[in-house]
Amino acid sequence: QVPLQESGPGLVKPSETLSLTCTVSGYSISSGYYWGCIRQPPGKGLEWIGSIYHSGNTYYNPSLKSRVTISVDTSKNQFSLKLSSVTAADTAVYYCARSTVSNWYFDLWGRGTLVTVSS
Amino acid sequence: DIVMTQSPLSLPVTPGEPASISCRSSQSLLHRSGHYYLEWYLQKPGQSPQLLIYLSSNRASGVPDRFSGSGSGTDFTLKISRVEAEDVGVYYCMQALQTPTFGGGTKVEIK
Repeated sequence: QVPLQESGPGLVKPSETLSLTCTVSGYSISSGYYWGCIRQPPGKGLEWIGSIYHSGNTYYNPSLKSRVTISVDTSKNQFSLKLSSVTAADTAVYYCARSTVSNWYFDLWGRGTLVTVSS
Repeated sequence: DIVMTQSPLSLPVTPGEPASISCRSSQSLLHRSGHYYLEWYLQKPGQSPQLLIYLSSNRASGVPDRFSGSGSGTDFTLKISRVEAEDVGVYYCMQALQTPTFGGGTKVEIK
């Protein structure tokens, strides 16, 4: 069982919405952690996109906030990312990750999934 | 945003020798709790990042004791006492005091 598994289309057209689902296995998504998304453009560094608590409270990177929505489905033990109006600059490996509430460090990561924005 | 700057960008190392990576933040990472909100991650080739050090100096579960973190204010250091071949990859520092931001990474490779 992979603790965090990303899933979603690997190819998205420019101006459309990127959708990613993170499935949590072996842990309850209601167990008192933040669940977040981090991305890494090919050959580049890491960028935190946002995080959500099981109550639905969300925290977004201000640089992406106008385009990002993260939601949680506790019945499915999943959380989801939507990034609207994508461009080629949004091409990246997208990771799901868990962080502690008190200190925000990411102690559990998914394997990541490459999302390419191209027509 | 707090800007994180790492050095060096690339670090060739000899197995068995020590190694050190520096991370500097644009402002102090001291939280009101008294802890520094600075973490270190290692991304091995083809893998997702893994947590090495949290709160500046605490080793994550399962991390060998050859890894240590130190620092205060705006200056932090990750040290590997004796590098092993499995330690190659890109090391990132990250601050969690405000909107989380990462350093640009330091690529560690065997000479």
